[in-house]
Amino acid sequence: ETGVTQTPRHLVMGMTNKKSLKCEQHLGHNAMYWYKQSAKKPLELMFVYNFKEQTENNSVPSRFSPECPNSSHLFLHLHTLQPEDSALYLCATSMGHLYEQYFGPGTRLTVT
Amino acid sequence: AQTVTQSQPEMSVQEAETVTLSCTYDTSESDYYLFWYKQPPSRQMILVIRQEAYKQQNATENRFSVNFQKAAKSFSLKISDSQLGDAAMYFCAFHNAGNMLTFGGGTRLMVKP
Repeated sequence: ETGVTQTPRHLVMGMTNKKSLKCEQHLGHNAMYWYKQSAKKPLELMFVYNFKEQTENNSVPSRFSPECPNSSHLFLHLHTLQPEDSALYLCATSMGHLYEQYFGPGTRLTVT
Repeated sequence: AQTVTQSQPEMSVQEAETVTLSCTYDTSESDYYLFWYKQPPSRQMILVIRQEAYKQQNATENRFSVNFQKAAKSFSLKISDSQLGDAAMYFCAFHNAGNMLTFGGGTRLMVKP
């Protein structure tokens, strides 16, 4: 709908698994973001990339590892997660930091 | 650090009626942007309306309008002629030049037919 896609849409993983979330944008935007959305909590910014360079790491545990190989793709690599990491992970993009962000549909992650 | 507060976890409105969602924020900055985002159930978050702090005129987008009170640090969203499709989570968000987007906790809007 908004030019930002995320895969997979749903993911169930054990605590010892390694998985990756993918975000792809077709809007020509320069900035890309990862957010975590948990029930009854405000959206938490995790990482920011601007022109493929990471410009923000909001004190995220090292079990989350972002990667931005080009301006159209953003990944979030996951390993040895905890049950409290279960949440909706949203990718967003924008022309720059001052512009509105366009969100993907999110990946619903469940850690068992 | 900026904070954004949405004091109404849930609101309901009758179809075709008007509803106002509240948002307050705390900042020492004078130049910033405010947004309202809508997140329908199981669907993508989309931008509803945007307000630049330097503009005195309240932003309007079709049935959606804001009441921006800069001195009071208040940014409420008014939805007129509510429709069933307006049912969603609504997030108020604050953005200035130096920081990233800060979201409020959200308000769930239910629309009764």
